[in-house]
Amino acid sequence: DTAVSQTPKYLVTQMGNDKSIKCEQNLGHDTMYWYKQDSKKFLKIMFSYNNKELIINETVPNRFSPKSPDKAHLNLHINSLELGDSAVYFCASSPGHRYNEQFFGPGTRLTVL
Amino acid sequence: AQSVTQLDSQVPVFEEAPVELRCNYSSSVSVYLFWYVQYPNQGLQLLLKYLSGSTLVKGINGFEAEFNKSQTSFHLRKPSVHISDTAEYFCAVTRGVQGAQKLVFGQGTRLTINP
Repeated sequence: DTAVSQTPKYLVTQMGNDKSIKCEQNLGHDTMYWYKQDSKKFLKIMFSYNNKELIINETVPNRFSPKSPDKAHLNLHINSLELGDSAVYFCASSPGHRYNEQFFGPGTRLTVL
Repeated sequence: AQSVTQLDSQVPVFEEAPVELRCNYSSSVSVYLFWYVQYPNQGLQLLLKYLSGSTLVKGINGFEAEFNKSQTSFHLRKPSVHISDTAEYFCAVTRGVQGAQKLVFGQGTRLTINP
């Protein structure tokens, strides 16, 4: 059984398009996250939701909008895609306590042409 | 603000040799430290974590790390590596946020095991 799943795994699109990445976790966790990993493998947190409430919102262009329809899902919508958005996007989840392990999805590789 | 520095971007070693991946952190408050591993084309997986207590922490796959407060370090070690340990390794520090955990990652160290 997949704990944290993301769709799609690969996404190739043109500049200016709007796209969404979906994430689902079946671990019963309260908290979900989105991370961006750039071409140099640097990982940076973008957003976090706890029980559908946004609690971490890093300095991210407002073209990026997370949406959490329920505790098990956290989707990432990106408007007006730019070349610099090309990266691997990881979803993760954790129990609500602060210092627990985060469980990561397999990643979505976004390529903007 | 918290930050993490991984001193080596790449570490090549021979199979069955020991390895140490170095990590230094800076933080003005108590820290909680983690090592994650990323195998090729996969997500991250927790190797081990230090929250409190014993400064020597044992993790999965034979890895261990030592928290050194005076040197602000959390180096990762394994006495004998295998080809399957080839991966990217990330050190991270966290600042707890109510209901969540904000991980700040280092730049990563690519461990390459040669036969």
